[in-house]
Amino acid sequence: SAVISQKPSRDICQRGTSLTIQCQVDSQVTMMFWYRQQPGQSLTLIATANQGSEATYESGFVIDKFPISRPNLTFSTLTVSNMSPEDSSIYLCSVGALSYNEQFFGPGTRLTVL
Amino acid sequence: AQKITQTQPGMFVQEKEAVTLDCTYDTSDQSYGLFWYKQPSSGEMIFLIYQGSYDEQNATEGRYSLNFQKARKSANLVISASQLGDSAMYFCAMRPNTGNQFYFGTGTSLTVIP
Repeated sequence: SAVISQKPSRDICQRGTSLTIQCQVDSQVTMMFWYRQQPGQSLTLIATANQGSEATYESGFVIDKFPISRPNLTFSTLTVSNMSPEDSSIYLCSVGALSYNEQFFGPGTRLTVL
Repeated sequence: AQKITQTQPGMFVQEKEAVTLDCTYDTSDQSYGLFWYKQPSSGEMIFLIYQGSYDEQNATEGRYSLNFQKARKSANLVISASQLGDSAMYFCAMRPNTGNQFYFGTGTSLTVIP
């Protein structure tokens, strides 16, 4: 299984500021995924991050709001820009294994925007 | 379009008893994977079990088993011998094998009563 760490684990931020979340994996992976889980809701895919190319964003998410970096095969960052209280969520990084029967998630970053 | 339905927002089970968490899905894909995740209050997503759409046998992982009925498009999770530590949110998810997008249900909150 993949071991995934995220930083920070939680943060409280002011409206209008930006926060960058880091995701580190203990093995090289082709694809990394960023999800958002709003309070009491299920998970929604924000974007897919491939190393060496632009991230692919899902409907309703844009690069200006959620810029993503993927500098190598073990690391990615997600920035939540110009935050508002509606951005208060858990943000989770996820990777798939070589076989299709596994998909692992990081511990999540719990963000509160005041 | 893909859709995952979990009709039980909350469930209670007596410790040491078995419980079934329901999940139905809708997809036009012929090849896909079904996943169950556990999310404790800490927020991490813990992978429990996987079932491939072409697997003829129901998947089992320790106390977890998946009751897969392909014709009915259902993938219910059965937890045997419930433990207090099983209290958490449980999410059913489906991923078509043609892509990497996960589709999550709205989750079921399970409470194990001593």
